[in-house]
Amino acid sequence: ETGVTQTPRHLVMGMTNKKSLKCEQHLGHNAMYWYKQSAKKPLELMFVYNFKEQTENNSVPSRFSPECPNSSHLFLHLHTLQPEDSALYLCASSQGTDNEQFFGPGTRLTVL
Amino acid sequence: AQSVTQPDIHITVSEGASLELRCNYSYGATPYLFWYVQSPGQGLQLLLKYFSGDTLVQGIKGFEAEFKRSQSSFNLRKPSVHWSDAAEYFCAVGSLRGNEKLTFGTGTRLTIIP
Repeated sequence: ETGVTQTPRHLVMGMTNKKSLKCEQHLGHNAMYWYKQSAKKPLELMFVYNFKEQTENNSVPSRFSPECPNSSHLFLHLHTLQPEDSALYLCASSQGTDNEQFFGPGTRLTVL
Repeated sequence: AQSVTQPDIHITVSEGASLELRCNYSYGATPYLFWYVQSPGQGLQLLLKYFSGDTLVQGIKGFEAEFKRSQSSFNLRKPSVHWSDAAEYFCAVGSLRGNEKLTFGTGTRLTIIP
């Protein structure tokens, strides 16, 4: 595997389900990000992790819970979601001071 | 606060025609500027970036962009588009400090007609 991978690519869940999104980067980067992409809206940064430490939480509801066990893996745990949470969730990683972020293909989430 | 404006939501051009996508930014210091492209169902791929130096930057797939500080713009250009260029294009601005958030524009969807 190369670059940034995300699983699953598609997820349908009910509002009472609990699921997790997984992101893995194979680039040796030290920072990872979760973004939400909804139709007709700019990408919304959700969380930033630097060296496994959360450095930004962009006022995300607590029904989204991130976890970063190491610099290569990032999870987004989901519970009690709402239909308006349906979106494409993108993971990204970066290294160093040039701030170039590499994106995964995303997980298309549908909440019924 | 930093912000990015992409005034064109949707642009249609003929294959072989030239292209310019507009991007204006607001940032309090020297910005890092990026253009990303997103094909349907895919993540974002970096086309090019500007940090410093020559204000005309070359990217992949024949794209280039010009940084104009006086106009707070970073427009993306391509002299001759191909059908495979149909996608969504995002401009983004970031800080000089590493691993901080990028602020993205709302994107411009590009349609190519034969």
